[in-house]
Amino acid sequence: KAGVTQTPRYLIKTRGQQVTLSCSPISGHRSVSWYQQTPGQGLQFLFEYFSETQRNKGNFPGRFSGRQFSNSRSEMNVSTLELGDSALYLCASSPGLATQETQYFGPGTRLLVL
Amino acid sequence: AQTVTQSQPEMSVQEAETVTLSCTYDTSESNYYLFWYKQPPSRQMILVIRQEAYKQQNATENRFSVNFQKAAKSFSLKISDSQLGDTAMYFCAFMINQGGKLIFGQGTELSVKP
Repeated sequence: KAGVTQTPRYLIKTRGQQVTLSCSPISGHRSVSWYQQTPGQGLQFLFEYFSETQRNKGNFPGRFSGRQFSNSRSEMNVSTLELGDSALYLCASSPGLATQETQYFGPGTRLLVL
Repeated sequence: AQTVTQSQPEMSVQEAETVTLSCTYDTSESNYYLFWYKQPPSRQMILVIRQEAYKQQNATENRFSVNFQKAAKSFSLKISDSQLGDTAMYFCAFMINQGGKLIFGQGTELSVKP
């Protein structure tokens, strides 16, 4: 089975721009979670989608949004980029069912905001 | 609020020796999952081992095993016969049932020396 894929792998943007990141889960997985990783804050949960519905949300401003499509692929959008949004963005997929919660991670998208 | 604490920011071990990484967590939930992930320099997050809180038996995966002490809220990882490829950042993580949200510790950077 192919693993979780994320595109693009690297991205450079300037302050005020917006960005969209994409995540394709493992085949058959219906849950996609997004995380932000920075040296200062570590790994922080952004949100989780299951069957096209946001099931859980972290403590991030409304500039961070996401969605999930019927094929379970997910996108994450960040509007009005700030310097502090520079980070590694990881997505993870899982079956999303009770007792099948183990998350498998993609390689990440490294975002640099200038 | 659930929290995960890894008190050892850095550790080193000689090749072929055994090392134990510590993790404590805080929660009022009774059903949850615990995980150890490793993140090598490539930044790819890789699942090492998982433990269900309702299982008393400690999980093992080849050279990796855990010491799960539910009452003490402790979840340490033991790596036996350490190999150079074990060099990585190790994260302890916690998830409640069907939350889709992993809560991570700050990580322990492990160096395996030849």
